[in-house]
Amino acid sequence: RKEVEQDPGPFNVPEGATVAFNCTYSNSASQSFFWYRQDCRKEPKLLMSVYSSGNEDGRFTAQLNRASQYISLLIRDSKLSDSATYLCVVAPQPRGYNKLIFGAGTRLAVHP
Amino acid sequence: DVKVTQSSRYLVKRTGEKVFLECVQDMDHENMFWYRQDPGLGLRLIYFSYDVKMKEKGDIPEGYSVSREKKERFSLILESASTNQTSMYLCASLSGKSYEQYFGPGTRLTVT
Repeated sequence: RKEVEQDPGPFNVPEGATVAFNCTYSNSASQSFFWYRQDCRKEPKLLMSVYSSGNEDGRFTAQLNRASQYISLLIRDSKLSDSATYLCVVAPQPRGYNKLIFGAGTRLAVHP
Repeated sequence: DVKVTQSSRYLVKRTGEKVFLECVQDMDHENMFWYRQDPGLGLRLIYFSYDVKMKEKGDIPEGYSVSREKKERFSLILESASTNQTSMYLCASLSGKSYEQYFGPGTRLTVT
């Protein structure tokens, strides 16, 4: 089993739709969790951190379920500009900067 | 504005050639990283540096070496390029105050 797993997609959704992705992780001691966004042929950029209590940034909501060992990203009112690959990143230990584990990404395609 | 630059966007080399990939960051970050990104595999850490002249092997260091003579510059060296090193190479830096990594635009290396 991979340490971090994501459905590769693609998720094809119309503008205005709500879409959710999950990411499962295998190490129950994992400490910190993040979602990065990677546009086609560009570098990854931090989208948001995922806090234990869940957090929201505009149309984006991230949640953590430690019991089932997954994190989720919900995008409401999808825009064409949301089309990208979303990478799940897990830090298995405190200050483990060289231990970050990246998922292979979930591709989202928003169409008119 | 935060900036990480890489010496080349595209590079084509022959098997057996020595290849240098250079990365420069202007954020005074202590931590710098070299990853490779392959379809379906996510980002995999090649080497990590937490200070000048300090380095640690990542998950896939074989066939690679690194150099960090100045804080802002982190170089990746392929001693003798092979076709299985054809990949997208991404450099990143991180301050240590947070887990946010800033990535360079990537170098797509093809070894023929």
